[in-house]
Parts: sequence; C-alpha cells; structure tokens
Amino acid sequence: EDQVTQSPEALRLQEGESSSLNCSYTVSGLRGLFWYRQDPGKGPEFLFTLYSAGEEKEKERLKATLTKKESFLHITAPKPEDSATYLCAVLGDTDKLIFGTGTRLQVFP
Amino acid sequence: EAQVTQNPRYLITVTGKKLTVTCSQNMNHEYMSWYRQDPGLGLRQIYYSMNVEVTDKGDVPEGYKVSRKEKRNFPLILESPSPNQTSLYFCASSRVGTYGYTFGSGTRLTVV
Repeated sequence: EDQVTQSPEALRLQEGESSSLNCSYTVSGLRGLFWYRQDPGKGPEFLFTLYSAGEEKEKERLKATLTKKESFLHITAPKPEDSATYLCAVLGDTDKLIFGTGTRLQVFP
Repeated sequence: EAQVTQNPRYLITVTGKKLTVTCSQNMNHEYMSWYRQDPGLGLRQIYYSMNVEVTDKGDVPEGYKVSRKEKRNFPLILESPSPNQTSLYFCASSRVGTYGYTFGSGTRLTVV
C-alpha cells in the first residue's frame, strides 16, 4: 500500500534559522513526488515535482531533494511569510496521488 | 486569473438535507477531482473526472455523487448528508498527465 509520512508534525523556527522537513514514502513504481504549500483557510498551492532520486528543485528559499525512500524540503533563512503547512504527495503505479498529513511550519520574527 | 472556484465557502446543514457544492475552473483542464481534508488524515480523494461524462471513484466515495456535464464544472452532491461528512472539501483541476493540481479555496461543511 502506498504511504506517505511527514515529519515533524509541527516546526517552530526563528527567522533566519534554516531547517528541513522530511517526507518518507513507500510506493510501488514512483512516478513523481510533489510538494505543496497550504496557508490557513486556503487550498494547497503546488510548489515542486521531483521524478527521480538525486533530483533537486529550488524556489526562492526552498529546495526540494529526493532519494529512493524520502524527500526533504530545505528552508534556508526562513521568513515569517514562509509560515504555512507543507504537504508532500506521491504518485505511483495506482495513478492516484497519495498525500501526507503535512508539516505545520511557524517562523517567528 | 487562472483559478478554481468553489461555492459556498462555508455551509452548515442538517442531517439528510440534500446539498450541492459547486466547482468551476477556467483553465480548460480535462482532469478535475474532489478531496476532503480531515485532521490527522490528510487529503483523501472522493471522486475524480478525466473529462466530460467520465467520472470515477476515489478512496472515500461513499455518500457522495458527482457529475461532469461540462468541462469547466464538477459539482459535488451529498444527497443525504450525515455528521461524519463534516469536513473541509477541496476541488482541484489539472491537465491530464500532470499532477501539479490547482486547488480551490475550500468549502467548510458542517452537518448537524
């Protein structure tokens, strides 16, 4: 059964304090791993797609990396506006996107 | 502006009273889907549609119906809502074969 586990559930950072969010997955035939950002009261917003181990994608202060068992979302020198819930999802042979429960990130000034 | 529009944003209803949540997208996407989001369970797919008149069940379809008569619209129908359908609902769309979904802003449904 395809499964996605995100850790930690919640993360509090001081502004400028870099850290990483983890997404561990088990999936039959990985076809893609996706990161989304969700702000309170809003729908998820697509950030990145990673297709194969070793691949990396960057957007502003965010960098996503992928191995055969997990993905990391690295946040460099975060700002308060980076506060959100970050969701990870995987797509495998079932052709269904399976979401994790997310990491709630709070960045304090 | 490219977007997915859901209505209503908030809805409180009573058990058994039929309701419809509308979803419309202006990006000419073939694929549309409904999800529910519950604490600790993440986003779970209810129904999806690959194109007009083509719909299929997701992981939690019980108690829901959908239709896709037009490419832009994908309403979610609860014919006899029950309290366990209290949840936050999202509609999403994309081009077939891509999974960077565009999500709507959500509908928070409470069934009492």
